[in-house]
Amino acid sequence: KNEVEQSPQNLTAQEGEFITINCSYSVGISALHWLQQHPGGGIVSLFMLSSGKKKHGRLIATINIQEKHSSLHITASHPRDSAVYICAVPAAWDNNDMRFGAGTRLTVKP
Amino acid sequence: DAGVTQSPTHLIKTRGQQVTLRCSPISGHKSVSWYQQVLGQGPQFIFQYYEKEERGRGNFPDRFSARQFPNYSSELNVNALLLGDSALYLCASSLGLAGRGVGELFFGEGSRLTVL
Repeated sequence: KNEVEQSPQNLTAQEGEFITINCSYSVGISALHWLQQHPGGGIVSLFMLSSGKKKHGRLIATINIQEKHSSLHITASHPRDSAVYICAVPAAWDNNDMRFGAGTRLTVKP
Repeated sequence: DAGVTQSPTHLIKTRGQQVTLRCSPISGHKSVSWYQQVLGQGPQFIFQYYEKEERGRGNFPDRFSARQFPNYSSELNVNALLLGDSALYLCASSLGLAGRGVGELFFGEGSRLTVL
């Protein structure tokens, strides 16, 4: 079993739909990270959260520490949201050893 | 302000060769981490340097080495390249340590290595 599992692997949506991506983890301390990777390969940090919920524009991230589960929601999805979304958790206290999910490939059609 | 810069962006090598990848962190960031991302998979941790000292090493063979310079830029070296080393190599800088909840990671665009 992978240390960080994401679902679904692939997701196709129509513009305007509400999107949910899930992340379950068996390792990890401190904050969970949600990342966005565009086709060129560059990765952008979306959220770092250790409890509750964070919102940035149309993006909402929630985390349940007891259940070791986090979700990323996108409201009113748009084709420019098409990307791979990756969750990651730190595996060690004193470095940046991160364990990454395999990613969820989102395609939003106009 | 400049983000994390990596060079080269693309390179092709043959088996047995050696490669050096470079990374310049965001100004003020003292931590540089390296990750390998094979096509279709999530990144995997290779190394982290913080204040010029190695702070962590992932499960990679000794063919992989890295260093951090006084200006906090970093190089990743891979010797005796294998076909399986073909991947996107990502560099990330941070102010603090992710494990302590204060290390938001800022990634470069990556160096895409193809080994033939």
